[in-house]
Amino acid sequence: GQSLEQPSEVTAVEGAIVQINCTYQTSGFYGLSWYQQHDGGAPTFLSYNALDGLEETGRFSSFLSRSDSYGYLLLQELQMKDSASYFCAVARGGGYNKLIFGAGTRLAVHP
Amino acid sequence: DAGVTQSPTHLIKTRGQQVTLRCSPKSGHDTVSWYQQALGQGPQFIFQYYEEEERQRGNFPDRFSGHQFPNYSSELNVNALLLGDSALYLCASSHTGTGHEKLFFGSGTQLSVL
Repeated sequence: GQSLEQPSEVTAVEGAIVQINCTYQTSGFYGLSWYQQHDGGAPTFLSYNALDGLEETGRFSSFLSRSDSYGYLLLQELQMKDSASYFCAVARGGGYNKLIFGAGTRLAVHP
Repeated sequence: DAGVTQSPTHLIKTRGQQVTLRCSPKSGHDTVSWYQQALGQGPQFIFQYYEEEERQRGNFPDRFSGHQFPNYSSELNVNALLLGDSALYLCASSHTGTGHEKLFFGSGTQLSVL
């Protein structure tokens, strides 16, 4: 089978740093993606890790450890607009990846 | 450059009816995936279309079917609707040559089954 686990809710204040963890169990693992979804909106791509290590894109960074089946999304200098749901998603291979999403972490950023 | 467009945005049906949802992928994309997202949950993979054929399928019954047209647009059909089919249906597009880890999602069709 396959499963992804991430915290259901995280709360932080503006300017802070927050880390959203994701652990996964799956066969045919190719990589780990992260998506952001505001209420009523479409999921939007944030990052993708195929190899171990840290990928940085502006205020957001993502980390993957394949040996630990673990990754995280790090959000720095939090802003109110970062309040959204964040999903980790496993890319499973076969030449044409399909994404299996976690249940999502709802991030609330307070002043 | 238009992104992924879906229609309609909202739909209300009754149990037993049939529904067709439509999706136009982002320009230059050749692969369309459909996802079902229940309230408070992550998107669940329904199936993926490439070259007008279903290439992969998730754990959804045969009541869910689809089609891809030569212009890469796609339809999702659901027959014999159940109350549990009420959800946000998301279409996502990608390009085979550049990988499918980065999906571009439409804003979805909110389906309510009464």
